[in-house]
Amino acid sequence: AQSVTQLGSHVSVSEGALVLLRCNYSSSVPPYLFWYVQYPNQGLQLLLKYTSAATLVKGINGFEAEFKKSETSFHLTKPSAHMSDAAEYFCAVSGSGGSNYKLTFGKGTLLTVNP
Amino acid sequence: DTGVSQNPRHKITKRGQNVTFRCDPISEHNRLYWYRQTLGQGPEFLTYFQNEAQLEKSRLLSDRFSAERPKGSFSTLEIQRTEQGDSAMYLCASSLVAGGEQFFGPGTRLTVL
Repeated sequence: AQSVTQLGSHVSVSEGALVLLRCNYSSSVPPYLFWYVQYPNQGLQLLLKYTSAATLVKGINGFEAEFKKSETSFHLTKPSAHMSDAAEYFCAVSGSGGSNYKLTFGKGTLLTVNP
Repeated sequence: DTGVSQNPRHKITKRGQNVTFRCDPISEHNRLYWYRQTLGQGPEFLTYFQNEAQLEKSRLLSDRFSAERPKGSFSTLEIQRTEQGDSAMYLCASSLVAGGEQFFGPGTRLTVL
């Protein structure tokens, strides 16, 4: 069984400030981990994914995340927020084996960026 | 590669009516997933196909829900006797291989009055 907890349903930062969105996971098997972004009335877009290679994963739009097995965390960061980063962010986990690879999502974190 | 498309984008129906949604995956993607997203929640897995075979269904998928993927191309999700609790965004995703990146469509927003 797998689950994801995203700490903070709403995060507000100033433009140019550090973005930190927190994600903790639970998985009975080695996980694959993902961050997706969703803009209003749109589907989800993959930002980055961890699939058991490098623990520091770089994604699109300047985002990165670090897999920490000891902390069961996969927090998303960006050094400098831009207005266009305002959106909802979802952390997700899937198994790394078997035949399914269905995604289990957290409840999401809404990021607002203030000018 | 035109991405995953879903139709309709919006559907308003009355309680008790049947509705059908369509998903066209990226061509040659053999995996197709359906998820449901309610307000304030992350998407929840409903079911998935490998080619035309439906390999897993979530407990969320009651007997009023049925999904098909004839010929392993597009997929349909039908809800019979809709209830207000079915109001949600229904998302479709496809991937080229098992474990590959899932590409999501824009979703179909269902409102049951």
